[in-house]
Amino acid sequence: SQTIHQWPATLVQPVGSPLSLECTVEGTSNPNLYWYRQAAGRGLQLLFYSVGIGQISSEVPQNLSASRPQDRQFILSSKKLLLSDSGFYLCAWSRTRTSYEQYFGPGTRLTVT
Amino acid sequence: AQSVAQPEDQVNVAEGNPLTVKCTYSVSGNPYLFWYVQYPNRGLQFLLKYITGDNLVKGSYGFEAEFNKSQTSFHLKKPSALVSDSALYFCAVRESGYNKLIFGAGTRLAVHP
Repeated sequence: SQTIHQWPATLVQPVGSPLSLECTVEGTSNPNLYWYRQAAGRGLQLLFYSVGIGQISSEVPQNLSASRPQDRQFILSSKKLLLSDSGFYLCAWSRTRTSYEQYFGPGTRLTVT
Repeated sequence: AQSVAQPEDQVNVAEGNPLTVKCTYSVSGNPYLFWYVQYPNRGLQFLLKYITGDNLVKGSYGFEAEFNKSQTSFHLKKPSALVSDSALYFCAVRESGYNKLIFGAGTRLAVHP
């Protein structure tokens, strides 16, 4: 069966510090991968998605970036965090040739102080 | 452009009563439709999907949803609500040929004893 991991689970970082959130998927190959941000326990904002190694699509211009160094690894980064980067970050994966439902990881709660 | 609307911010139901969480969508082609549930500080869990075929789709935890093409709706239903069903529910749509899901803003379901 497939499993998706995210770490860390919670993170408190000062403004201006760097960020690295990691997501890995087990039990599948060549998944589509997604990063979302959820603010105030409500709607989801798609930040990035990837259909393969090194292939990243950015949905919203901001100070965040994403990388996919390996098939099942997806990293969300920032060089300098802003207060507005606080939120709940969710990673998700989907298969590439079926009905495209996405499966979500447990999330990372980021607080920028 | 694809879009999803969840017209109710919150739905309140007494335990044992039937529940409905509403969703309408807009796509230019054939829709793939999904429902997810989110418990506090957790990732989203996939409940069910409509791709093609029978308009009534059954999913996890006793939930079902009815696809209505003429009304462009995909309402989530359950015959008898449980207190443990209290959570945030998201409807999502994918248009054929796209890798992304478009999520609604979410509806908070509160089931009272």
